[in-house]
Amino acid sequence: EADIYQTPRYLVIGTGKKITLECSQTMGHDKMYWYQQDPGMELHLIHYSYGVNSTEKGDLSSESTVSRIRTEHFPLTLESARPSHTSQYLCASSEGTSSYNSPLHFGNGTRLTVT
Amino acid sequence: KNQVEQSPQSLIILEGKNCTLQCNYTVSPFSNLRWYKQDTGRGPVSLTIMTFSENTKSNGRYTATLDADTKQSSLHITASQLSDSASYICVVSDRGSTLGRLYFGRGTQLTVWP
Repeated sequence: EADIYQTPRYLVIGTGKKITLECSQTMGHDKMYWYQQDPGMELHLIHYSYGVNSTEKGDLSSESTVSRIRTEHFPLTLESARPSHTSQYLCASSEGTSSYNSPLHFGNGTRLTVT
Repeated sequence: KNQVEQSPQSLIILEGKNCTLQCNYTVSPFSNLRWYKQDTGRGPVSLTIMTFSENTKSNGRYTATLDADTKQSSLHITASQLSDSASYICVVSDRGSTLGRLYFGRGTQLTVWP
C-alpha cells in the first residue's frame, strides 16, 4: 500500500471554525493533490502542487487554501467552515513530471461535516 | 466537452461469477486511461493504467481493455470475491498540459453477494 496519510479521518465542527486537514506522504513524490468527493459523484480537483513552494487551484472553486513548505506535507486549510463544505476530502500524490503514466496514490480521506 | 461516462451505475453479482464494467470517454487529446478500486471509507487504489498503444492489461483477476478508436474501455472481473465489493472508477488523462489533466467517472458500485 502507498504511504500517504491523512488526519483526521473524521471531523465534525461548527460553522465559522477554522480547520486544517493534514496530508503527508513518505514516497518523496513531487506532485500532490487535494480532491473533493461527494457520494455517487466524481472526484473534483481543488488544489495541486508541483513541488515545494508551488501551489495551484484546481477545477473546482474552493474557499480553502493550501501550502507546500516541505515535499512530504500538503495541508489544506478552511478559514471559516460552512455547511456547504461538508464532504470527503482526499489527498493524493504521484511521481514527478517525467511521466504522464504515474498512478495517483490516495490517502484514506477526511470526512468533514460542518453543522 | 471532455467527459467520462461509466455503466452500469451499480451492479450486484454472486460470488464466483464474472462481470464487466464499461467506460466511455470523450477526452481529447488522449494520454492514458486508468481504473481505480475504491473500498467504502478508503481512498482509491490503482488497478491498471493503459496508454494509446495498449489494448489489454491484466492485474490478477482484473483485466482492462481499451479501444482508443471507439473511446471505450471495459474492466472484466473474473471469479468474483466478496472483497471485490467496491466502487470502480474510470479516469482518463489528456496530454494538453504538463500535469496531464485527469477526468473522473462517477464509478460503478459493485456488490458481491455470497
